[in-house]
Amino acid sequence: QKEVEQNSGPLSVPEGAIASLNCTYSDRGSQSFFWYRQYSGKSPELIMFIYSNGDKEDGRFTAQLNKASQYVSLLIRDSQPSDSATYLCAVTSYDKVIFGPGTSLSVIP
Amino acid sequence: GAGVSQSPSNKVTEKGKDVELRCDPISGHTALYWYRQSLGQGLEFLIYFQGNSAPDKSGLPSDRFSAERTGGSVSTLTIQRTQQEDSAVYLCASSLREDTGRAFFGQGTRLTVV
Repeated sequence: QKEVEQNSGPLSVPEGAIASLNCTYSDRGSQSFFWYRQYSGKSPELIMFIYSNGDKEDGRFTAQLNKASQYVSLLIRDSQPSDSATYLCAVTSYDKVIFGPGTSLSVIP
Repeated sequence: GAGVSQSPSNKVTEKGKDVELRCDPISGHTALYWYRQSLGQGLEFLIYFQGNSAPDKSGLPSDRFSAERTGGSVSTLTIQRTQQEDSAVYLCASSLREDTGRAFFGQGTRLTVV
């Protein structure tokens, strides 16, 4: 079993819709959870982090964490074409960050 | 500079030659990671440093790949006897030990083996 799993996509949503990106992880001891965005040809950049169960909102982005289910998600409200990118879930485990394979999101105008 | 710096930005090399890729992390960041990313693919973990030690080298694809870090700062990834399948973007990231998930990435080195 891979340590961090994501649907590879591509996920296509119309402009203005909600995009939902999902991630599961295998290490129950993981404490910190992150979402990175990677535009084509660019390096990943951190956009959200969450440490506690529940929701965390930042503008149009909401991160959700359920440690019992070992599940993290990212919701993007009012999706814009500029949100089109690959979204990487990352989890810290044993003092190291582990990245998932990423989900490609395409927002259609 | 304030960010992670990688050099060179681009490298074209002939098959069979050795190459060295350099990463200069953010000052004070003790954790340093090397990844490889082929076109359209995800991040492939190569090696992780904490200070000068490499607790996890599990991602190095073969014994042609090696990495070192000196002074808890600059790291060099060396690929010996390069092959065409080594062509990819090599990314370096660094983070604080106590906040290891907040990783900052360099701009990458695009390696092309011809």
